[in-house]
Amino acid sequence: KNQVEQSPQSLIILEGKNCTLQCNYTVSPFSNLRWYKQDTGRGPVSLTIMTFSENTKSNGRYTATLDADTKQSSLHITASQLSDSASYICVVRNDYKLSFGAGTTVTVRA
Amino acid sequence: DVKVTQSSRYLVKRTGEKVFLECVQDMDHENMFWYRQDPGLGLRLIYFSYDVKMKEKGDIPEGYSVSREKKERFSLILESASTNQTSMYLCASSLLTAWYEQYFGPGTRLTVT
Repeated sequence: KNQVEQSPQSLIILEGKNCTLQCNYTVSPFSNLRWYKQDTGRGPVSLTIMTFSENTKSNGRYTATLDADTKQSSLHITASQLSDSASYICVVRNDYKLSFGAGTTVTVRA
Repeated sequence: DVKVTQSSRYLVKRTGEKVFLECVQDMDHENMFWYRQDPGLGLRLIYFSYDVKMKEKGDIPEGYSVSREKKERFSLILESASTNQTSMYLCASSLLTAWYEQYFGPGTRLTVT
């Protein structure tokens, strides 16, 4: 069964600090991996998408990494802001299906 | 900008009621999807549609039905709501050949009491 596991389930950080979210997957065959940001009360919005050949991709203060050999991805948030408070969802695609992680809820405190 | 709207942000219904959740997209997308989102679980696909009047079951279709009479509108129907259908429901749409590039609506939080 294709699975996507995210950790931690939730975390609290102080404004200005960095944090890293993890995503491990067993989806096969692998097509791409996408990180979404979901603000409270809103639908998920795509942050980055990574294919097999990409190791790192940045979108502003968000940097995603991918190790296709170990089937692991991470999302690093640099210099966090209050607006980064949200759930971050890892989604892995194979040829015919999207598999969604349960998400990591990030709370940024002033 | 792709816009996907859902008719209600919050909905409270009683057990046994028939419930309609509406979704409208304005980008002429062929595909439309309904998911439910529960704490500790990833999004789970209920149904999707690739054309008017066409529908396909997703991973958890039991207790739900759908209707797509117009290309821009996709409805999720709970024939007889039950408490275990309390959840966040997300609608999404995509182009036919880019089914994986999905744009999500804001969600409807349904509570069944």
